[in-house]
Amino acid sequence: GENVEQHPSTLSVQEGDSAVIKCTYSDSASNYFPWYKQELGKRPQLIIDIRSNVGEKKDQRIAVTLNKTAKHFSLHITETQPEDSAVYFCAASPTGGFKTIFGAGTRLFVKA
Amino acid sequence: EPEVTQTPSHQVTQMGQEVILRCVPISNHLYFYWYRQILGQKVEFLVSFYNNEISEKSEIFDDQFSVERPDGSNFTLKIRSTKLEDSAMYFCARKTGPNGELFFGEGSRLTVL
Repeated sequence: GENVEQHPSTLSVQEGDSAVIKCTYSDSASNYFPWYKQELGKRPQLIIDIRSNVGEKKDQRIAVTLNKTAKHFSLHITETQPEDSAVYFCAASPTGGFKTIFGAGTRLFVKA
Repeated sequence: EPEVTQTPSHQVTQMGQEVILRCVPISNHLYFYWYRQILGQKVEFLVSFYNNEISEKSEIFDDQFSVERPDGSNFTLKIRSTKLEDSAMYFCARKTGPNGELFFGEGSRLTVL
């Protein structure tokens, strides 16, 4: 089955700096890769996703990249703000498949 | 996007007791999921439910767990005999289609004493 590895587990940056979170997956059938943000005590919320027919996707300060050959995908947050502080989860899912498998999460701290 | 509603928001139970967690999705949702998150840990897949039957389940989803959609609307997760390690946040989630986005409900926090 699918296994998703996520690094780092904790990331601390200064406000205005960039943050990068990296994930790898094991199942070559996976072709949908969402990213979720979870604030303390809240549910995970989808912030951006990428499908395997695309190598990069950007939405304002957030971008995701995907390297299918290497089975790597990454989340990039630019110009970080204190409200970006949260736990971020990457995930992988096969198209038409039923389950989405999550990485272990990255706790991001943005220091003002 | 319309969300799913979960009840209860928090339940405290004694070890060995049965617990039922409920999820009320929008009527046109076909794909339902239960995920579990132990405090401070990852979001773990439990089970997926499509067309009123289980489509896939994880190793965590053993015989003490069951899911059903008894009245065509509420989607329930039953834990037959709770253990201390069942203490977690349980999230119901839904997709509108097989390739769609996974949206989570607000969660039900289960505390087993």
